[in-house]
Amino acid sequence: GENVEQHPSTLSVQEGDSAVIKCTYSDSASNYFPWYKQELGKRPQLIIDIRSNVGEKKDQRIAVTLNKTAKHFSLHITETQPEDSAVYFCAASISGGYQKVTFGTGTKLQVIP
Amino acid sequence: KAGVTQTPRYLIKTRGQQVTLSCSPISGHRSVSWYQQTPGQGLQFLFEYFSETQRNKGNFPGRFSGRQFSNSRSEMNVSTLELGDSALYLCASSSTGTGPREQFFGPGTRLTVL
Repeated sequence: GENVEQHPSTLSVQEGDSAVIKCTYSDSASNYFPWYKQELGKRPQLIIDIRSNVGEKKDQRIAVTLNKTAKHFSLHITETQPEDSAVYFCAASISGGYQKVTFGTGTKLQVIP
Repeated sequence: KAGVTQTPRYLIKTRGQQVTLSCSPISGHRSVSWYQQTPGQGLQFLFEYFSETQRNKGNFPGRFSGRQFSNSRSEMNVSTLELGDSALYLCASSSTGTGPREQFFGPGTRLTVL
């Protein structure tokens, strides 16, 4: 089955700096890659996603890049703010008639004011 | 629309007991997935239900089972509880159609096994 590895497990950055989280996946059939943010004590929420026919997607300060050949994708957060502090999860899935989403183990991001 | 709801929010059980967790999806969503979240392990997929049928299953022992009702509400059951079953159990619902769909998570049920 699919295996998703995520690095780093913890990340501390100064407010205003950029943060990068990297993930690799194993199943070349995976074609949908969402990123979720989970604040302390809250439920995960989708922040951005990318499909395999797109190499990059941006939404304000957040961007995701995908390299299908190398089977890795990354989350980039620019101009970080304290409210970006949370655990971020990458995931990979195969779109189709069912949902089976494989998550990475998460990155705890701390933005230091 | 109301979000995904889960009951109960907290549970304390002892080893050997069984437990049933409930999940009500967003109105109109027919797909419900269940995940186990533990520190360091992220979210691990348990199973997914659609139209009362289990479509997919993760690598969990048979003690973990589920079902879905005609109104798309879903329940998850864990029998013969073990200490290692202590976790946050999250359900997520999504709409259906061609292509991938965003999953909307519930607040989770925190299960503690003593």
